[in-house]
Amino acid sequence: DAGITQSPRHKVTETGTPVTLRCHQTENHRYMYWYRQDPGHGLRLIHYSYGVKDTDKGEVSDGYSVSRSKTEDFLLTLESATSSQTSVYFCAIKERPPPYTDTQYFGPGTRLTVL
Amino acid sequence: DQQVKQNSPSLSVQEGRISILNCDYTNSMFDYFLWYKKYPAEGPTFLISISSIKDKNEDGRFTVFLNKSAKHLSLHIVPSQPGDSAVYFCAGGGNRDDKIIFGKGTRLHILP
Repeated sequence: DAGITQSPRHKVTETGTPVTLRCHQTENHRYMYWYRQDPGHGLRLIHYSYGVKDTDKGEVSDGYSVSRSKTEDFLLTLESATSSQTSVYFCAIKERPPPYTDTQYFGPGTRLTVL
Repeated sequence: DQQVKQNSPSLSVQEGRISILNCDYTNSMFDYFLWYKKYPAEGPTFLISISSIKDKNEDGRFTVFLNKSAKHLSLHIVPSQPGDSAVYFCAGGGNRDDKIIFGKGTRLHILP
């Protein structure tokens, strides 16, 4: 357990509305990630952060923005939700446990439905 | 371009037998590989990793084999148990890269 929580766990919203998902970690990890999981696509990286106020884009960043104003929180915002953003969203942190290979640990996920 | 490929969307194995999940990659710069297991409505959980300088890593019932010349790795589960029914993701990463690349996953069904 890497001490990661995600909120909300489920959300239903309408097309065009803004949505913010929160990832919270308690163990002072520097790196945090947002992924989406869709059938037939596996896990795709949206954005990630390598420190407070330091973020970078992933493979599927269009339509998403992120913010990290403090170490423990990484927010994912859909400025104007679309039906194509219906998905399950996972947050992750990175550690380097023995034998010292970078390993990501995931939160429980947020299921987002955009109607 | 899919850097990590899991070509079998699903696999069914009898309980007690060996499950072999396969993964191919195209990026020769990967320094390590990881396997994750995912149950429905839960986040992926880390299973086992292997450095690109190794050809085998074992942890209990799970063994990962790496064949660098073929750019292929496999996860062996012996013996397979009902709780192993899940989706398994293969991923590759580089020591100079902050990101890891996931395959699309293979759904494993363990049959009674």
